[in-house]
Formats: sequence, structure tokens, C-alpha cells
Amino acid sequence: TQLLEQSPQFLSIQEGENLTVYCNSSSVFSSLQWYRQEPGEGPVLLVTVVTGGEVKKLKRLTFQFGDARKDSSLHITAAQPGDTGLYLCAGAPGGGADGLTFGKGTHLIIQP
Amino acid sequence: EAGVTQSPTHLIKTRGQQVTLRCSPISGHTSVYWYQQALGLGLQFLLWYDEGEERNRGNFPPRFSGRQFPNYSSELNVNALELEDSALYLCASRLQQVRRRLFGPGTRLTVL
Repeated sequence: TQLLEQSPQFLSIQEGENLTVYCNSSSVFSSLQWYRQEPGEGPVLLVTVVTGGEVKKLKRLTFQFGDARKDSSLHITAAQPGDTGLYLCAGAPGGGADGLTFGKGTHLIIQP
Repeated sequence: EAGVTQSPTHLIKTRGQQVTLRCSPISGHTSVYWYQQALGLGLQFLLWYDEGEERNRGNFPPRFSGRQFPNYSSELNVNALELEDSALYLCASRLQQVRRRLFGPGTRLTVL
């Protein structure tokens, strides 16, 4: 079974600070997705990374896929209160029977 | 384009009862996925339907079942509810051959 470990589980920082959250596995994934989920809503896809070593930027968010395609990171620069949410990584093809294995997520709170 | 819709939004049941949750995928999407998101456990894959057939199911007991209708909408049925079934149930739809899946807002089920 492929597992994805996300760290930290919880993170609370002040507006304007930088942060990095991690998604790690002992297994290789063909691609990895990052989602953000806000309370009362379903997860929303932020990015998909496919190639080992790939870096993608989405405004202040930078996503990196590890060279070995076993891990990924999300870096947020100058965090804003609107970045608050649950960040989930999901790897494919999966140990999950639908081809997508989700981590448990990082709960991020950005305080004004 | 309308997103994935789910009903009801909230539901309270007692132990032993049965519940039916509904999902309408995005128009043109033929695959529907069901996930359970319980506190502290992350998204757990439940069921995958495509073209009206069950393609795969996660590690859940048989009292979790469902179906997909000719219009690609789907139902999730849970019999003999237990306290630990309390969770957010998420539905996602996907276009065939496309990796991206889009989530609905979920149904919050509370079992007392």
C-alpha cells in the first residue's frame, strides 16, 4: 500500500511569513497533485506535477516534485489570510484503489 | 459550467439507520468517485463508478454501496449506520482520459 505522509499536520503563522509543507512517501508516483480545501467545501485542485524535479509556480505558491518522484513540497511566500485552509497532496497511480492516494493534509492558518 | 453537486448538505441520523447520499457530476463527466473524509483520517476512497458500472471499491464493508444512473448521477447508500460513519462524504467527477477530478462540496453526515 502506498502511503503519503504530510508534514506538518498543523501550522499557524503570521501574515507575510513564508512557509513550506511537505508530502513524503517511500513509493514512486507517476504524478502528484496538490489540493486546497476550505471548511464546508470539497478539495480544489491547485496543481499537478508529473516530471521528477519539476517546479511549478502559481502566484505566491511554488510546488516541487522530488527527483525520485517520491516526495513533493509546497512553498508559500508572503502568506495571506486567504491562504488558510487544508492542503492535501495526492499521488497517482496509487495504492488507492482508484489510482489516487491522499495524504492526511496540513491544516494551515494565516493570522492577520 | 455548473460544478459537481451533492445533496443533502447536512444529515443527522442515529445508529442502525440507513442513509442515501446523492451526487450529480459535471455535464459530460462519466466517472464518479466517492470518498469519506473522517476527522483525522484524510480522504479515504470508497467507490468508483464509470459508465454505469462499479469499477473499484475501497476497503470498506459491504454496507457501503452505491450505483450510477444512465445520466451518470450517483447514489451512495450506507446501511446499519455506526457512530464512526460520521464524516464528510465527498463526490468527485472526471472526464474519461483526463487525470483531473473535480470535487463537490460534500455531505456532512453525523451519526448519533
